[in-house]
Amino acid sequence: AQSVTQLGSHVSVSEGALVLLRCNYSSSVPPYLFWYVQYPNQGLQLLLKYTTGATLVKGINGFEAEFKKSETSFHLTKPSAHMSDAAEYFCAVFNTDKLIFGTGTRLQVFP
Amino acid sequence: NAGVTQTPKFRVLKTGQSMTLLCAQDMNHEYMYWYRQDPGMGLRLIHYSVGEGTTAKGEVPDGYNVSRLKKQNFLLGLESAAPSQTSVYFCASRLQPIAISSPLHFGNGTRLTVT
Repeated sequence: AQSVTQLGSHVSVSEGALVLLRCNYSSSVPPYLFWYVQYPNQGLQLLLKYTTGATLVKGINGFEAEFKKSETSFHLTKPSAHMSDAAEYFCAVFNTDKLIFGTGTRLQVFP
Repeated sequence: NAGVTQTPKFRVLKTGQSMTLLCAQDMNHEYMYWYRQDPGMGLRLIHYSVGEGTTAKGEVPDGYNVSRLKKQNFLLGLESAAPSQTSVYFCASRLQPIAISSPLHFGNGTRLTVT
């Protein structure tokens, strides 16, 4: 069965610092991987996705993620954090007709 | 363009009571999903549907039933609510994919408390 593991339930960074949110996947077939963001009291929104092709994927709001098959990873990064990036972030893997989510990482950004 | 709409937004139930959560989408999506979100556990899939008249079990289906009588609506029922069903429930929909990677569109959630 396909699954994802998010390392670190909470991450804190200063405004302007690098953001790194970690996600590792387990899959017996080439995976389709996603990052979603959830702002307070809202549903989830798609940040970016990896299907095939280029392993560096760019998303909205300056985020990007790199698919590394050798490390079974799909970490999310942003060079410079903004206060508005404070939210919960979910990694997910496509499995047949459905999306399986990780447990989430809450990002705090301090001024 | 409303997208995915969930009703109600909040509800408090007593143990043993029943209720139905309604999800409606206006994007002509084939696939619809019900997830529950609990602290530290992420989103877990309860049930889903790949088209009108179809339903399938997800990761945590026990205690819930669903129906998809119309393409645009997906109902989640709790026949006898338990405190363990206190959670935030999210509905999502997706186009039937030619490209598997078509994204999920989420509603804003229903916060349910069972006392």
